[in-house]
Amino acid sequence: DIQMTQSPSTLSASVGDRVTITCRASQSISYWLAWYQQKPGKAPKLLIYKASSLESGVPSRFSGSGSGTEFTLTISSLQPDDFATYYCQQYNNYWTFGQGTKVEVK
Amino acid sequence: EVQLVESGGGLVQPGGSLRLSCAASGFTFSTYSMNWVRQAPGKGLEWVSHITSSSTTIYYADSVKGRFTISRDNAKNSLYLQMNSLRDEDTAVYYCARGSSGYYYDYWGQGTLVTVSS
Repeated sequence: DIQMTQSPSTLSASVGDRVTITCRASQSISYWLAWYQQKPGKAPKLLIYKASSLESGVPSRFSGSGSGTEFTLTISSLQPDDFATYYCQQYNNYWTFGQGTKVEVK
Repeated sequence: EVQLVESGGGLVQPGGSLRLSCAASGFTFSTYSMNWVRQAPGKGLEWVSHITSSSTTIYYADSVKGRFTISRDNAKNSLYLQMNSLRDEDTAVYYCARGSSGYYYDYWGQGTLVTVSS
């Protein structure tokens, strides 16, 4: 089974900050990685697929990079609506999610 | 507009059964793979099961294999999850999610809560 490890688990930031979340896979997954945003009581929302492709309608301040085993999600300038929990997901071999990164107000 | 609406959740005793449904609209259901994902209270996301567009290929997470059965009815635009031999650890919000061509999940339902407790 492929394990996905996100860091940090919690991130404290302010509006306007540049935020970076890391996701590591236990084995190479090429670029078969997606990022989701989830707010309390809501379903996850797709942000990024294929490691760096921005889903339609997602603000351009979100970007993804990486391949193989190491990936990052970057929010270039954090907005009030971005405080949420973010999950990475590999879909190279079945499906596995990271444990999540909560972005909270500093 | 793509819509996925889950139903069928509720309170069930350990060892009991429950059938979840997911009604799809706004897209050609029969051409997309579908998935179930769950989230235990205060926890992260866990993939549960996958079914291809014509039901030819089905996968399950080890944690539910042999107890859960995924199915679909393309004529009714519906996805199902039959859950048997339920355990306390199956307590979660269950989401249905559409699989895109790349097998990531581009649309999710709002979820239905399953509580397994005596």
